[in-house]
Amino acid sequence: QKEVEQNSGPLSVPEGAIASLNCTYSDRGSQSFFWYRQYSGKSPELIMSIYSNGDKEDGRFTAQLNKASQYVSLLIRDSQPSDSATYLCAFFSNTGNQFYFGTGTSLTVIP
Amino acid sequence: GAGVSQSPRYKVAKRGQDVALRCDPISGHVSLFWYQQALGQGPEFLTYFQNEAQLDKSGLPSDRFFAERPEGSVSTLKIQRTQQEDSAVYLCASTQGGTVSYEQYFGPGTRLTVT
Repeated sequence: QKEVEQNSGPLSVPEGAIASLNCTYSDRGSQSFFWYRQYSGKSPELIMSIYSNGDKEDGRFTAQLNKASQYVSLLIRDSQPSDSATYLCAFFSNTGNQFYFGTGTSLTVIP
Repeated sequence: GAGVSQSPRYKVAKRGQDVALRCDPISGHVSLFWYQQALGQGPEFLTYFQNEAQLDKSGLPSDRFFAERPEGSVSTLKIQRTQQEDSAVYLCASTQGGTVSYEQYFGPGTRLTVT
């Protein structure tokens, strides 16, 4: 069982639509969750961090965390072609004392 | 510095050669991480430093991999007797706090190709 599960996609949405990215994790004791964006050939760039159950909004991005269901999601409103990238979900495992990353979901926003 | 820097950006090594990859973290960042990222995969944890102390090296794939951060700033990842399976992008990330629950900021990576 992988520590982080993401749908690899590809996910395609039209420009202006909402893109929804999902992630499940295995470590019930984890407290820190992150979403990174990675453009092809580039390194991961931090988009959002979330530590508490519920929603956290930052501009067009909303992260949602449900610790009971071990589920974290990222919503991108008013999607733009520049949002086309791979989105990586990550969490810090208190038991493993390290970060775990998913394999990423490829998002394409169609103009 | 403005961000995490890594050098070289690209490295081609013949099988059996030793390589050294350098990471300069954001100034003042206490924690430093090394990851290996294969094509189409997420970053895989290799090792973690808090200041000069290597607190976790459980992700290093073999004893050919060695990392150090002697003065608590710049870090070097060394790979001895490189093999083709070592070909990957090696990413370095740093965080501000001593606890690893802080956000990580990544460098541009070093793409290693072993021929």
